[in-house]
Amino acid sequence: NAGVTQTPKFQVLKTGQSMTLQCAQDMNHEYMSWYRQDPGMGLRLIHYSVGAGITDQGEVPNGYNVSRSTTEDFPLRLLSAAPSQTSVYFCASSGTGGYGYTFGSGTRLTVV
Amino acid sequence: RKEVEQDPGPFNVPEGATVAFNCTYSNSASQSFFWYRQDCRKEPKLLMSVYSSGNEDGRFTAQLNRASQYISLLIRDSKLSDSATYLCVGRDNYGQNFVFGPGTRLSVLP
Repeated sequence: NAGVTQTPKFQVLKTGQSMTLQCAQDMNHEYMSWYRQDPGMGLRLIHYSVGAGITDQGEVPNGYNVSRSTTEDFPLRLLSAAPSQTSVYFCASSGTGGYGYTFGSGTRLTVV
Repeated sequence: RKEVEQDPGPFNVPEGATVAFNCTYSNSASQSFFWYRQDCRKEPKLLMSVYSSGNEDGRFTAQLNRASQYISLLIRDSKLSDSATYLCVGRDNYGQNFVFGPGTRLSVLP
């Protein structure tokens, strides 16, 4: 049971490039989210999804798109990378009800 | 006001000490609560859920007071390996919204 898998683990982008961070879970969780965490800071919610075909914005959605075509996958797309998007990105999933999140191991993104 | 607030820390305690973390939440719709720990440059990991009756897992005890909207975590006999940031988390009644506190950093010193 792999849990939540994020790829890549590390990425360096040039300003203006686009890329997709992948997230997959094999626990049949309905709820998935993307967070970013800047050095020494807390988690900030980017986008979330309560099920396949349903997504919504979190606290800091600008510059990011998401889609949820299947229950398992929740990719995060950076449209035009900016240095301010340098951060660690965590994907997380949860079942419905009173369950906690399971996090992926994160993607460390640097935009130069 | 943030929905979930925690002592900012850092807490620096000697090995063997007992340390308590406090957390308050402002959204009465929050129904489920959790404590997570996050090691430096790692993902948050679920430490324990928090139940209204209070619950214990080894050296860790969690308490929830819904009337005061207050959650606590007690760590007894601190180990060096307990050094981490501890995150208080609430989840709303519909299961659609997790709210993370900013975290409290703990350093257990030899």
